[in-house]
Amino acid sequence: DAKTTQPTSMDCAEGRAANLPCNHSTISGNEYVYWYRQIHSQGPQYIIHGLKNNETNEMASLIITEDRKSSTLILPHATLRDTAVYYCIVRALTQGGSEKLVFGKGTKLTVNP
Amino acid sequence: DAGVIQSPRHEVTEMGQEVTLRCKPISGHNSLFWYRQTMMRGLELLIYFNNNVPIDDSGMPEDRFSAKMPNASFSTLKIQPSEPRDSAVYFCASSLSRGQGNEKLFFGSGTQLSVL
Repeated sequence: DAKTTQPTSMDCAEGRAANLPCNHSTISGNEYVYWYRQIHSQGPQYIIHGLKNNETNEMASLIITEDRKSSTLILPHATLRDTAVYYCIVRALTQGGSEKLVFGKGTKLTVNP
Repeated sequence: DAGVIQSPRHEVTEMGQEVTLRCKPISGHNSLFWYRQTMMRGLELLIYFNNNVPIDDSGMPEDRFSAKMPNASFSTLKIQPSEPRDSAVYFCASSLSRGQGNEKLFFGSGTQLSVL
């Protein structure tokens, strides 16, 4: 699987946009970019994923560069409840057709009042 | 849907005892995953099943760990004998795999295991 690099931590003011970067320079053509987050003491939560095009859902937007070597997760109006560890993961289909997500260290996002 | 259900929520046991963690995946999901999380090692994938069959158990730390999925709605992770270094939060996750590589994982609330 392609390796991802994320900043260890970031801060954001409440109500402002939080932009979380992720580098995945070795990504291959069939690998998706996934974002999950983990709020303290809870299980990880799916946020969004994409292959080539930018994606948006009710939680966030995902911007993938044209060369697909990096991406940015955008939380448009961060709230205190968005304080969490955010994981960027690159994964392709495995044998047997099953998903196999390997989590790195992630970015600890702190939203400040 | 109730989501992925794990039990117990907390488990405290003594070294050498057998520990069994339980997981009920989301109905209709065909893939199930067991993860372990510690401060030092982060989230580690232990094993995953597809259609009740173990596909990859390369993350299982040693023979003291075993996992089963007797049917589509139930899985167990057993540690026998348990050791203090097994103390961690154990998460179960499930997904609906259609073989397209873009499935979402849904995680349970985890089991906090403390081995004294």
